[in-house]
Amino acid sequence: KNEVEQSPQNLTAQEGEFITINCSYSVGISALHWLQQHPGGGIVSLFMLSSGKKKHGRLIATINIQEKHSSLHITASHPRDSAVYICAARTSGSRLTFGEGTQLTVNP
Amino acid sequence: ETGVTQSPTHLIKTRGQQVTLRCSSQSGHNTVSWYQQALGQGPQFIFQYYREEENGRGNFPPRFSGLQFPNYSSELNVNALELDDSALYLCASSLDGYYTEAFFGQGTRLTVV
Repeated sequence: KNEVEQSPQNLTAQEGEFITINCSYSVGISALHWLQQHPGGGIVSLFMLSSGKKKHGRLIATINIQEKHSSLHITASHPRDSAVYICAARTSGSRLTFGEGTQLTVNP
Repeated sequence: ETGVTQSPTHLIKTRGQQVTLRCSSQSGHNTVSWYQQALGQGPQFIFQYYREEENGRGNFPPRFSGLQFPNYSSELNVNALELDDSALYLCASSLDGYYTEAFFGQGTRLTVV
């Protein structure tokens, strides 16, 4: 069992839909990262959180430390949101343990 | 755009050869982590360097080695390349500490033939 698991693996949505990607982890963490990866490989950090909720534009990330669960929500999804979304747990030191990623496709 | 740059962006090597990948960290960052991402999978931790010393290593064989220089830039060296080493190699720089942002480079796509 992976230390960080994401669901779903693949997600297809229509433009405008509300999207949720889930992340569960089984290790102790100091922070949880949500990252976006576009074709070609570059990774962009979306959020880093250790409690509660953060919002940036149409993106919202929440974390429940007791349940070891985090969610990334995208409101009013748009085709440009199509990418791989990865959650990563910061464990020992500043090492990141990654989930497998969720491939999101938003159709116009 | 982050200040983390990796070179080269793409590389093709033959099985058995050696390769060196480079990473320039964001200004002021003293910690560099290297990750290997096979196609369709999440990145896997290779090792981390903090102030020129290795500071943690993942489940990779000794033919994966690294260096960090006084300016905190870093190299990843892989000897005796195998076909399974074909992957995207990512570096991430950060300040030391448990609650610090990590900034990623664009990655180096290594193909071993």
